[in-house]
Amino acid sequence: NAGVMQNPRHLVRRRGQEARLRCSPMKGHSHVYWYRQLPEEGLKFMVYLQKENIIDESGMPKERFSAEFPKEGPSILRIQQVVRGDSAAYFCASSSRDSREKLFFGSGTQLSVL
Amino acid sequence: EDQVTQSPEALRLQEGESSSLNCSYTVSGLRGLFWYRQDPGKGPEFLFTLYSAGEEKEKERLKATLTKKESFLHITAPKPEDSATYLCAVRSGSGNTGKLIFGQGTTLQVKP
Repeated sequence: NAGVMQNPRHLVRRRGQEARLRCSPMKGHSHVYWYRQLPEEGLKFMVYLQKENIIDESGMPKERFSAEFPKEGPSILRIQQVVRGDSAAYFCASSSRDSREKLFFGSGTQLSVL
Repeated sequence: EDQVTQSPEALRLQEGESSSLNCSYTVSGLRGLFWYRQDPGKGPEFLFTLYSAGEEKEKERLKATLTKKESFLHITAPKPEDSATYLCAVRSGSGNTGKLIFGQGTTLQVKP
């Protein structure tokens, strides 16, 4: 029973490029969450999605960031025109509909912007 | 504004030396307090959920307790493999959001 899978583990981008981070939730989980961990800071909530729906995006920056969780395939966190301040570890978590309080996290994607 | 503060930031213990980690919170309508363990280069791993003051949960050498303003993670006779960052988080409010608010963590180092 595979856990939450995130890829790539490490992503290097130059300023102005696009970054795409992928997350496959645990089998049977239909709720996906994205969190960001900046150096020396705690985990910060970004967005909560169910299949084909964004439920809460109150933690997402208004510009350049978007997220989706299509009917088929992984959830994608997309960052356009990356800047150095976007460098961070991005974690995805998933939960089941019946046990939404228990989040299972992936190992994260470390984004480095040069 | 909902807030979670953990102390100390870092803790060094000798193997077998028991101690406690603190998590203070201010939240509008607590819907759960969570403890996670995070190893370097990995995502947080779920440990406990507490819902009401007076509740306690145990797992091996760890015991989590909850009051109306704070939670403690007690570590009894720790071993080097308990070395990790321990994160506290709260869920608040109503509605169907799954948002957790995390503290900055306590990094525990247990020396043999």
